[in-house]
Amino acid sequence: DTAVSQTPKYLVTQMGNDKSIKCEQNLGHDTMYWYKQDSKKFLKIMFSYNNKELIINETVPNRFSPKSPDKAHLNLHINSLELGDSAVYFCASSRDGTADTQYFGPGTRLTVL
Amino acid sequence: DAKTTQPPSMDCAEGRAANLPCNHSTISGNEYVYWYRQIHSQGPQYIIHGLKNNETNEMASLIITEDRKSSTLILPHATLRDTAVYYCIVRVAYNAGNMLTFGGGTRLMVKP
Repeated sequence: DTAVSQTPKYLVTQMGNDKSIKCEQNLGHDTMYWYKQDSKKFLKIMFSYNNKELIINETVPNRFSPKSPDKAHLNLHINSLELGDSAVYFCASSRDGTADTQYFGPGTRLTVL
Repeated sequence: DAKTTQPPSMDCAEGRAANLPCNHSTISGNEYVYWYRQIHSQGPQYIIHGLKNNETNEMASLIITEDRKSSTLILPHATLRDTAVYYCIVRVAYNAGNMLTFGGGTRLMVKP
């Protein structure tokens, strides 16, 4: 069974559209994350979220918003997509907000045309 | 979190030990050293972490110098499947949001 899964694996869309990426973890973890990996392969944290609080990396535009319908899911919503949003987005989870190990999903490659 | 410096790339022969260095000269007393790796087209994978003592698990060993300003990740018998980008991350145990800050990493190429 996949521990952290993401859908879709690939997403191609036009500038200005609104899109969502889904993430699910079946590990029973309390904390989930979103990371962005750009074309230069740098991985950057975007959000950290548990049922108590959302921590946002200050560099993330407010067009990006995480939504958590339940503890096992943290979806990423992106409004008014821009060319610079093209990247691979990784979801991750950890046991709690202080856990050492983060488990990453397989990634979603977003291409904005 | 302290900054880390890693060589951009390294080669290793299959079956030999791969020794990946990391400099973290500004590390503070409450910061841990973490290692993750990212195999091509996959999400990062946790390998090991430590504070000041050497650590070993089923994947690798972590050697931290006595002054803690540098460390080495050792893959004792590298295989082709160990070809990946290896990230050394230094951070306090409990930062707000438990966030990881990735640098450029070392691209390890294991060759037959």
